[in-house]
Amino acid sequence: GESVGLHLPTLSVQEGDNSIINCAYSNSASDYFIWYKQESGKGPQFIIDIRSNMDKRQGQRVTVLLNKTVKHLSLQIAATQPGDSAVYFCADSGGYQKVTFGTGTKLQVIP
Amino acid sequence: GAGVSQSPSNKVTEKGKDVELRCDPISGHTALYWYRQSLGQGLEFLIYFQGNSAPDKSGLPSDRFSAERTGGSVSTLTIQRTQQEDSAVYLCASSFPSSEKLFFGSGTQLSVL
Repeated sequence: GESVGLHLPTLSVQEGDNSIINCAYSNSASDYFIWYKQESGKGPQFIIDIRSNMDKRQGQRVTVLLNKTVKHLSLQIAATQPGDSAVYFCADSGGYQKVTFGTGTKLQVIP
Repeated sequence: GAGVSQSPSNKVTEKGKDVELRCDPISGHTALYWYRQSLGQGLEFLIYFQGNSAPDKSGLPSDRFSAERTGGSVSTLTIQRTQQEDSAVYLCASSFPSSEKLFFGSGTQLSVL
């Protein structure tokens, strides 16, 4: 079936370094992609999104890259901080507002 | 409050009992979702309400699960005859019309003993 999956379950990064979290999707009809951050004991929180007519979008310290050719999505976090430690989910929507989430990547920031 | 509110935050029940989980979405949000998150796992879609349209129930794992949304606002997820495998965090989210940007509550941690 259609799914959104992540390449790595856990990522450890030194504080101050850049983090890259990857995601593969399989639904060719997906036209909207979102990254969420989930801290322990909380619900996921929106970070950044991108439409399929774009290949890059930047926010504050975060950048999302979309490669539709290989159905790949990545989240880049610049100058990773301890507060960035969380589980990151990519999600996609092929319309109809039904949002499908991947397994998640746990980001551990090493002080 | 301004966010999505879920209650209770924790629920411990015995196998075979029924439970009700409540979600208060953000005012003005017409879309409401329920997801289930098992320990260390991703978010499993359960059900989706959009305005007055028929809900998308395609994610409900069995007929023991049901959900209602009264008056286009508050939603209740009911699990009948709970099983141990129902233990998980149940997350509710809402969004504005025509928006896939979801706002999540903090979830209900359900433990079935």
